Amino acid sequence: NAGVMQNPRHLVRRRGQEARLRCSPMKGHSHVYWYRQLPEEGLKFMVYLQKENIIDESGMPKERFSAEFPKEGPSILRIQQVVRGDSAAYFCASSPPGTVYEQYFGPGTRLTVT
Amino acid sequence: SQKIEQNSEALNIQEGKTATLTCNYTNYSPAYLQWYRQDPGRGPVFLLLIRENEKEKRKERLKVTFDTTLKQSLFHITASQPADSATYLCAPKDTGRRALTFGSGTRLQVQP
Repeated sequence: NAGVMQNPRHLVRRRGQEARLRCSPMKGHSHVYWYRQLPEEGLKFMVYLQKENIIDESGMPKERFSAEFPKEGPSILRIQQVVRGDSAAYFCASSPPGTVYEQYFGPGTRLTVT
Repeated sequence: SQKIEQNSEALNIQEGKTATLTCNYTNYSPAYLQWYRQDPGRGPVFLLLIRENEKEKRKERLKVTFDTTLKQSLFHITASQPADSATYLCAPKDTGRRALTFGSGTRLQVQP
């Protein structure tokens, strides 16, 4: 059973460009979470999705950031008009259904904005 | 507001000793608490989950305690090895939102 997959692993964007980060959850997992880890800081929750639904986006910046988890295909975290402060590691995690569960994390995408 | 405190200073211990890491939380009523390990440049890896009605949980050289009165969890690694060097994150989980909130982590360095 393959783990959570994220791509690309490294992404370099110039200020003002768009960044698209992809996440394929573990097989059988219907819950996807995105977290951001700024340099020398902790993991911060951004958004929680199920297929075709955003369940909790309380950690998502109000502008420029969006996420989706379509019926078919990976979950996408999209950052429009990137700024230097968006440089961070973005981690995706998935979990099985149920009320008590652990989360399985992908290797992350390291975004560098130049 | 909810707060999770882990010792931000690195913990340096000698190989073979027991490492003890602390996680304190406030304004939480967690149904359970999880511990994760994170190596540099990698995603966190789940280690242990302990429920509110469990006082202690063990897995190989790992032991977690959970004191809901003190609002504290302790994470122990016995017979520590240099390969145990990593950052350890705790995540108390209440029954509200499904996402996890992590402490800032404690970096453990095991010297050979």
